[in-house]
Amino acid sequence: DTEVTQTPKHLVMGMTNKKSLKCEQHMGHRAMYWYKQKAKKPPELMFVYSYEKLSINESVPSRFSPECPNSSLLNLHLHALQPEDSALYLCASSQPGTSGNTIYFGEGSWLTVV
Amino acid sequence: KNQVEQSPQSLIILEGKNCTLQCNYTVSPFSNLRWYKQDTGRGPVSLTIMTFSENTKSNGRYTATLDADTKQSSLHITASQLSDSASYICVVSGTYNTNAGKSTFGDGTTLTVKP
Repeated sequence: DTEVTQTPKHLVMGMTNKKSLKCEQHMGHRAMYWYKQKAKKPPELMFVYSYEKLSINESVPSRFSPECPNSSLLNLHLHALQPEDSALYLCASSQPGTSGNTIYFGEGSWLTVV
Repeated sequence: KNQVEQSPQSLIILEGKNCTLQCNYTVSPFSNLRWYKQDTGRGPVSLTIMTFSENTKSNGRYTATLDADTKQSSLHITASQLSDSASYICVVSGTYNTNAGKSTFGDGTTLTVKP
């Protein structure tokens, strides 16, 4: 069982809606990530938070807004999305600063934009 | 440019048979290489992680090898089971003291195990 929990598992939203994806981990990891994965493709990095600060933004459109309220929680706020944003959104965590750090993924949130 | 190439793209084997998946990378400087298994519709699950000094690591029926000189890794699956059907993704990190930095993902190998 994954130790990174994501909610909701499935989300259908209209292009004018505002919704949020949530992620929680209790492994004491200080790095958290958002990835986007389309069918039959590897995950694509969107954002990285390190010690609760945004350290990487892979030129993600502003309709995606990440938030890290504390070291255990990571949110992804969604607004005015497009149908092409439909994908599996994966949250992950790891311990930064170590060469052998494993990235632990959650089960993902399936997003459909209609 | 950092790249990770996996082969074959897809593979079909019979239950009980062994198979080997390949991963070649150009990521430098090298920090670690991870193999993940991803079932359809689920998040990736870590199988093995190897750093520069490790040549082989096993996890049950999964054995990963790493040749840091040739920048190649393989994942060997022994006595395959139907539940091994999944996508196997090779991920390479290229910074030693990675402050939650970027990793380079391969496109994955889709394995299908048939009865």
